[in-house]
Amino acid sequence: GAGVSQTPSNKVTEKGKYVELRCDPISGHTALYWYRQSLGQGPEFLIYFQGTGAADDSGLPNDRFFAVRPEGSVSTLKIQRTERGDSAVYLCASSSLAAGGPDTQYFGPGTRLTVL
Amino acid sequence: AQTVTQSQPEMSVQEAETVTLSCTYDTSESDYYLFWYKQPPSRQMILVIRQEAYKQQNATENRFSVNFQKAAKSFSLKISDSQLGDAAMYFCAYRSYDDKIIFGKGTRLHILP
Repeated sequence: GAGVSQTPSNKVTEKGKYVELRCDPISGHTALYWYRQSLGQGPEFLIYFQGTGAADDSGLPNDRFFAVRPEGSVSTLKIQRTERGDSAVYLCASSSLAAGGPDTQYFGPGTRLTVL
Repeated sequence: AQTVTQSQPEMSVQEAETVTLSCTYDTSESDYYLFWYKQPPSRQMILVIRQEAYKQQNATENRFSVNFQKAAKSFSLKISDSQLGDAAMYFCAYRSYDDKIIFGKGTRLHILP
């Protein structure tokens, strides 16, 4: 596609519910990243995929958060037993790791998650 | 661990004037990348400019330029001929070869007509 897309744009849920956030990276991009941006803050790294595997999940805050990328393209961020503190904008980015070093990450518009 | 600090939460500049946004960072690495991203109300993070640490020459993209001082670990963004469309949050960001990006807290830039 022309850019990174994320669905839904906004998600409102109740405390304790399960949510899934989807990211469609730029076609052909092998690397995919999830970030979380709380109000008034810069984005914080959650997890990074290279192909189908999670290369670095050190940013996931706890075991309620999980992400998959089964076919090396679309990724889903899953949050179990949501808490009010999970409310934030969840950003996805993708990049094409060219030989010689990291490439620029291109961001999607984000999903605003509100937990009531 | 690497950190990125933006000491100016908000700034204002008159349209057509020049403004400089400050950023400092801390790292023990010698090879890394630095970025400035713009985030308008639409939430889309847009890459403004990128600097490779091994390059001494400051990056320039049209009206946007940086002053990269590696020894001082400083990476400021200069916007010349400010336009109303430049109004946004600006994030300074650091990226090492493990690929994750570390962002500062951002500077909100207002353009005064």
